[in-house]
Amino acid sequence: AQSVTQLGSHVSVSEGALVLLRCNYSSSVPPYLFWYVQYPNQGLQLLLKYTSAATLVKGINGFEAEFKKSETSFHLTKPSAHMSDAAEYFCAVTLGVGGSQGNLIFGKGTKLSVKP
Amino acid sequence: DAGVIQSPRHEVTEMGQEVTLRCKLISGHNSLFWYRQTMMRGLELLIYFNNNVPIDDSGMPEDRFSAKMPNASFSTLKIQPSEPRDSAVYFCASSPTGQETQYFGPGTRLLVL
Repeated sequence: AQSVTQLGSHVSVSEGALVLLRCNYSSSVPPYLFWYVQYPNQGLQLLLKYTSAATLVKGINGFEAEFKKSETSFHLTKPSAHMSDAAEYFCAVTLGVGGSQGNLIFGKGTKLSVKP
Repeated sequence: DAGVIQSPRHEVTEMGQEVTLRCKLISGHNSLFWYRQTMMRGLELLIYFNNNVPIDDSGMPEDRFSAKMPNASFSTLKIQPSEPRDSAVYFCASSPTGQETQYFGPGTRLLVL
């Protein structure tokens, strides 16, 4: 069965520092993987997705993630944090081969704080 | 294009009352998902529809919860009777045919007193 584990419910970085949010997945089929961001009092917004093409995926707002099959990981990074990056980030995996089923399994989320 | 639209944005009600949450899909999308988000349990999928047909309702907590898609662009989630433990933010999301990306609405913040 598919599942997602996000390591660290809270991450705090200084403005300008590297952002690294960790996500490991478990899937019995080739996964599609996603990162969503949720700003306070808003819905989730897609940051980026991996759909079996390039393993390094670039998203919006300078974020990127690398799919590493050997490590079953899909960590989210950004070279330099900005105050506006403070939000909650969710990793998700599809249920079914190649997104054949629309259901997404979400991780518990990681809250990112950015200090001035 | 307008995104997913949810109403109301906020709802405060008393225990035992009926609550109806509404969602309008993005035009052309045919999959609809209802989620519930709480601090304790995170983001939970309640039910999802494809082409107006419920595909998986295993996340619906109990018989007090029901969801419908009376047409291709609109859905309701009803709680009757409501209980304090139903207090949460309820999101709906839609996706196009054959696509796996889900587009979320702004959510309905429900407080049951």
